[in-house]
Amino acid sequence: DQQVKQNSPSLSVQEGRISILNCDYTNSMFDYFLWYKKYPAEGPTFLISISSIKDKNEDGRFTVFLNKSAKHLSLHIVPSQPGDSAVYFCAAMDSTSYGKLTFGQGTILTVHP
Amino acid sequence: EAQVTQNPRYLITVTGKKLTVTCSQNMNHEYMSWYRQDPGLGLRQIYYSMNVEVTDKGDVPEGYKVSRKEKRNFPLILESPSPNQTSLYFCASSLASGSPYEQYFGPGTRLTVT
Repeated sequence: DQQVKQNSPSLSVQEGRISILNCDYTNSMFDYFLWYKKYPAEGPTFLISISSIKDKNEDGRFTVFLNKSAKHLSLHIVPSQPGDSAVYFCAAMDSTSYGKLTFGQGTILTVHP
Repeated sequence: EAQVTQNPRYLITVTGKKLTVTCSQNMNHEYMSWYRQDPGLGLRQIYYSMNVEVTDKGDVPEGYKVSRKEKRNFPLILESPSPNQTSLYFCASSLASGSPYEQYFGPGTRLTVT
């Protein structure tokens, strides 16, 4: 039972354009969401997070949007750069079950120069 | 340098031969966790620990053991490895307050069980 789903295994965009990565969840108890980026042969690195009390969080070129009614979040990267090419994982947590983190399957982003 | 280290980075073993993958962090983090990454399944949590002597199961704990006797170390033990435990394993750590979910990950351990 996949509670966090990233339905697009891959995404290809042109440098300078917007990248939009999507994530859906089914557990209504999830109240904290994160995005991680992973390069080959490295561990994931934290990118950005959002609490369920917000619907948007921005950090430089990265913005995460949360639509609680649709149980959907998205990561926008503007403008996209070739160095953004990586696997992106979304993750979710129910803060009452502190420490238990559920990840999606990941989306491979390729940004072409 | 703040980091999470894992050893070994690569391991090929045979079914049933007990093994331990070590994980150590130098950031004085309370929280540590183990994940496995498999194609099409993303990262799945195996076990996590909120502090010394406090551990709990993640989503896929079967076939694994952990211990947290010291704050900096969180070894993953496979008592009797099987081929379905062939995977890429990551250890992670974070603070248990402030921004507790922003975990630092180790570089990964690629395990093959034949």
